[in-house]
Amino acid sequence: ETGVTQSPTHLIKTRGQQVTLRCSSQSGHNTVSWYQQALGQGPQFIFQYYREEENGRGNFPPRFSGLQFPNYSSELNVNALELDDSALYLCASSLASYEQFFGPGTRLTVL
Amino acid sequence: GENVEQHPSTLSVQEGDSAVIKCTYSDSASNYFPWYKQELGKGPQLIIDIRSNVGEKKDQRIAVTLNKTAKHFSLHITETQPEDSAVYFCAASAFGNEKLTFGTGTRLTIIP
Repeated sequence: ETGVTQSPTHLIKTRGQQVTLRCSSQSGHNTVSWYQQALGQGPQFIFQYYREEENGRGNFPPRFSGLQFPNYSSELNVNALELDDSALYLCASSLASYEQFFGPGTRLTVL
Repeated sequence: GENVEQHPSTLSVQEGDSAVIKCTYSDSASNYFPWYKQELGKGPQLIIDIRSNVGEKKDQRIAVTLNKTAKHFSLHITETQPEDSAVYFCAASAFGNEKLTFGTGTRLTIIP
């Protein structure tokens, strides 16, 4: 186990709704990255937070937003959900270094 | 941006034989190459990584090789066991940019 936890494990939303996913990073890690993994695909980088500041963003629209808190835990918010947002959302924590350790993910289904 | 290609997409190997998965990358600035194993219903697990100043790294039955000139790197698993069955992903990133770009994955099946 990596020590990275995510909640909830699964959730179902309808198109147009908003969702918040949560991640607790491994003890001592100050960087959290979020990835979206569609079925049968590799994870795609959404954004990264380092010491509460966004530190890079992938090719995702502004309705994907995030926060990092002083204890380095993080949230991913998605507004105006679309059917294509259905995926496994992964967070990974690191100590401002290369090695990223992933949590188990949150499976989001948009109906 | 970086593009990582991974082959094969599926691989079946007899238990005890070796498995090799290959990846190529496009961005010459990439200098960190991790490999992840993902089991059903779980997040990716880091199994080995290599940095560009090293050509080969080994950890028990797992090894990774890197050819910077050709921009490709490979995962080698020897003496395969049933618990090696999973989806394996390669990835690449550049120093100062911790965004990982992943390959499309290889589903490895070990046949008892």
